Amino acid sequence: AQTVTQSQPEMSVQEAETVTLSCTYDTSESDYYLFWYKQPPSRQMILVIRQEAYKQQNATENRFSVNFQKAAKSFSLKISDSQLGDAAMYFCAYRSVRGGSNYKLTFGKGTLLTVNP
Amino acid sequence: ETGVTQSPTHLIKTRGQQVTLRCSSQSGHNTVSWYQQALGQGPQFIFQYYREEENGRGNFPPRFSGLQFPNYSSELNVNALELDDSALYLCASSLRGRENGYTFGSGTRLTVV
Repeated sequence: AQTVTQSQPEMSVQEAETVTLSCTYDTSESDYYLFWYKQPPSRQMILVIRQEAYKQQNATENRFSVNFQKAAKSFSLKISDSQLGDAAMYFCAYRSVRGGSNYKLTFGKGTLLTVNP
Repeated sequence: ETGVTQSPTHLIKTRGQQVTLRCSSQSGHNTVSWYQQALGQGPQFIFQYYREEENGRGNFPPRFSGLQFPNYSSELNVNALELDDSALYLCASSLRGRENGYTFGSGTRLTVV
């Protein structure tokens, strides 16, 4: 079974600064998807960025980028020019490319990000 | 394009009772998944429905059951509620075969007393 570990329960960053959230995972599969989701107090999970394991190039979405190290099974999220609206719980998630219950997302426990003005 | 709507937003039930939570999928999506998120934890997969059939299940007992309707909306039913069932229940819809199409609702906060 796949597992996802987020070792930082809480992180804080100054507005306009850069912060990196860590995520490691364990799998025996060679192809899969990785995601970062943001959960603000509104509770809705919002997709921040995704990475396909067969792509070596790191995904980027505006101020958000990832450092995907497949051999090390590491998938960190970098937030540049942090904004107050970035404050939320961030979850790293894994999904197999296989079918059935493997379509499920396996989440880490989350990292609570605080952005200080 | 409508998002995922869940109802109710909050619910308080007594141990031993039964509860039904509802989810309306995003327009164009044909798959619905349900997740349980305990306080301070990441969401845990309960099950997924596709074409009105359960298509995968996590480590949850049979008293957790579901339905998917022809319009792709869904229900999560929990029988014989236990105190540990207190959690945020999230619904996510997607279009089968599209790996990035998960849209989540804002969840139902269930409290069992």
